[in-house]
Amino acid sequence: DVKVTQSSRYLVKRTGEKVFLECVQDMDHENMFWYRQDPGLGLRLIYFSYDVKMKEKGDIPEGYSVSREKKERFSLILESASTNQTSMYLCASSLFLVGGQTEAFFGQGTRLTVV
Amino acid sequence: AQSVTQLDSHVSVSEGTPVLLRCNYSSSYSPSLFWYVQHPNKGLQLLLKYTSAATLVKGINGFEAEFKKSETSFHLTKPSAHMSDAAEYFCVVRANQFYFGTGTSLTVIP
Repeated sequence: DVKVTQSSRYLVKRTGEKVFLECVQDMDHENMFWYRQDPGLGLRLIYFSYDVKMKEKGDIPEGYSVSREKKERFSLILESASTNQTSMYLCASSLFLVGGQTEAFFGQGTRLTVV
Repeated sequence: AQSVTQLDSHVSVSEGTPVLLRCNYSSSYSPSLFWYVQHPNKGLQLLLKYTSAATLVKGINGFEAEFKKSETSFHLTKPSAHMSDAAEYFCVVRANQFYFGTGTSLTVIP
């Protein structure tokens, strides 16, 4: 069974802390994604990665960075956490096929609270 | 450019009555379209996907969606709502990344 695992379900961090959110997939997918989800705004893409060591900015990259040193792992880093980064964070992965039509598989989400 | 518009932010239905969740898309080329469901405090689960093989797509839990190119729509339906269908539903179009609608919250009234 396919699996995307996020390291924490719930996190509470202090303002100014450096925060690491980890995501691991076991499907050998090329593409991985980080989204944040806020009520009324749906899912907004922070960063995505086509392959190892490759990354692309999404719609809201400010205040975030990512790392993909291995194919199965995609990390989201909050350089200096702020209260407006309190949110649900969702990781996803998918195969890359020319022409698309491959779905994304999601982790269970990390609810981050910054105090 | 790709985008998705979910026409209703909230839908309420009585148990046993039909469900209709509306989605319009914009795509520069032949789209890949998906519907996902999210139950409270859970990740997103794929309901169904359009792969251009057939315009009427059947998914899990009795859901269906019909791709209508002329209307640029991909509405989600179910003949009879169940209490367990209460959740948030997202319509998604894929290009190099996935573009999400803002979601429709479905309430099922007993």
